[in-house]
Amino acid sequence: EDQVTQSPEALRLQEGESSSLNCSYTVSGLRGLFWYRQDPGKGPEFLFTLYSAGEEKEKERLKATLTKKESFLHITAPKPEDSATYLCAVQAHSGGYQKVTFGTGTKLQVIP
Amino acid sequence: DAMVIQNPRYQVTQFGKPVTLSCSQTLNHNVMYWYQQKSSQAPKLLFHYYDKDFNNEADTPDNFQSRRPNTSFCFLDIRSPGLGDAAMYLCATSRATHKGGNQPQHFGDGTRLSIL
Repeated sequence: EDQVTQSPEALRLQEGESSSLNCSYTVSGLRGLFWYRQDPGKGPEFLFTLYSAGEEKEKERLKATLTKKESFLHITAPKPEDSATYLCAVQAHSGGYQKVTFGTGTKLQVIP
Repeated sequence: DAMVIQNPRYQVTQFGKPVTLSCSQTLNHNVMYWYQQKSSQAPKLLFHYYDKDFNNEADTPDNFQSRRPNTSFCFLDIRSPGLGDAAMYLCATSRATHKGGNQPQHFGDGTRLSIL
């Protein structure tokens, strides 16, 4: 069974204090790893897709990286508006077509 | 802007009273999903449609049904809601050109269901 584990569950940062969120996964045949941002009372908002180990994607203060066992979401000099829950999800061959398995997320709070 | 729209945003129903949640999309995506998300938990896939092909997750209760009358619309029917069905219900879409595609999902803002 595909498994996705995110850590930490919650993270509190001062504005400007860089850090990383972790997503470790156990799947048979990764097809893609996705990062989403979810604000309270809203649906997840797509951030990045990573397909293979060594791949990196960047968007503003966020950078996502991928290895064969885990992905990191690096946040550089975060601002209060970066506060949200960040979800990681994987799509794998073993999950049946189109199935995506989500982690429980990391709740990020950035203090001014 | 192309998007995924869920109605209503908030739904209150009584224990055992059937309820229907709706989702529409203007993205023209061929795959549509329904997820259940409870507080501080991961979204849990209930079922998805690949075009008209319906795929039910093994652990989705029989109480949950879905309809997709056309590409743009999808409905979630809960036949006899119990207290444990109170949650946020998320609809998502993606584009797939073949089975097993790896395109990202686009989500609506969800319907929060409360059971009295």
